[in-house]
Amino acid sequence: SYVLTQPPSVSVAPGQTARITCGGNNIGSKSVHWYQQKPGQAPVLVVYDDSDRPSGIPERFSGSNSGNTATLTISRVEAGDEADYYCQVWDSSSDHQGVFGGGTKLTVL
Amino acid sequence: EVQLVESGGGLVQPGRSLRLSCAASGFTFDDYAMHWVRQAPGKGLEWVSGISWNSGSIGYADSVKGRFTISRDNAKNSLYLQMNSLRAEDTALYYCAKSWMVRGWFDPWGQGTLVTVSS
Repeated sequence: SYVLTQPPSVSVAPGQTARITCGGNNIGSKSVHWYQQKPGQAPVLVVYDDSDRPSGIPERFSGSNSGNTATLTISRVEAGDEADYYCQVWDSSSDHQGVFGGGTKLTVL
Repeated sequence: EVQLVESGGGLVQPGRSLRLSCAASGFTFDDYAMHWVRQAPGKGLEWVSGISWNSGSIGYADSVKGRFTISRDNAKNSLYLQMNSLRAEDTALYYCAKSWMVRGWFDPWGQGTLVTVSS
């Protein structure tokens, strides 16, 4: 089965840029979606199809995907961005099952 | 406004069954695929199952294949998850989520219903 690897935690000071990676074998050939989950809340889509942003998501959130790594970049980080972030793809090799990364806790210092 | 409201969770003994429901409103239900995603306490997200708009394409995670059945009733704007032979490791918050296509992104998500499998 396909495995997505995320760092357990990322810390950044307010106003700086946070980069959260999602590693997978040839992930650049897949579409990657990113979700933000704050404590006690349901996940929210922040980036889809590698780099597109849903309406209502600030331009500070962006994504890229190439080779074996996809990246969610959050510019000018704010305290309200503190949350868990998950990447997600579809695994065509296992009957098209959905796959999530293990999640990354973003801490705003 | 799109709304997804899950129900049917609760405490159930190992080996027993439970049926979850997800009531959808605010969009044309039969235009979209739907999914179940779960989250064990303190853990990450796990995709459980998905169904296309017309039920013609259905998929399951290996961890639930043969035990869980997803279905939908477009006339009632509802999604279901029949869970049989429940195990302790099925304990989780179960979310339903809307998807543009059966292998698309999940947006939005409901608030979830908690399933606890314990004797």
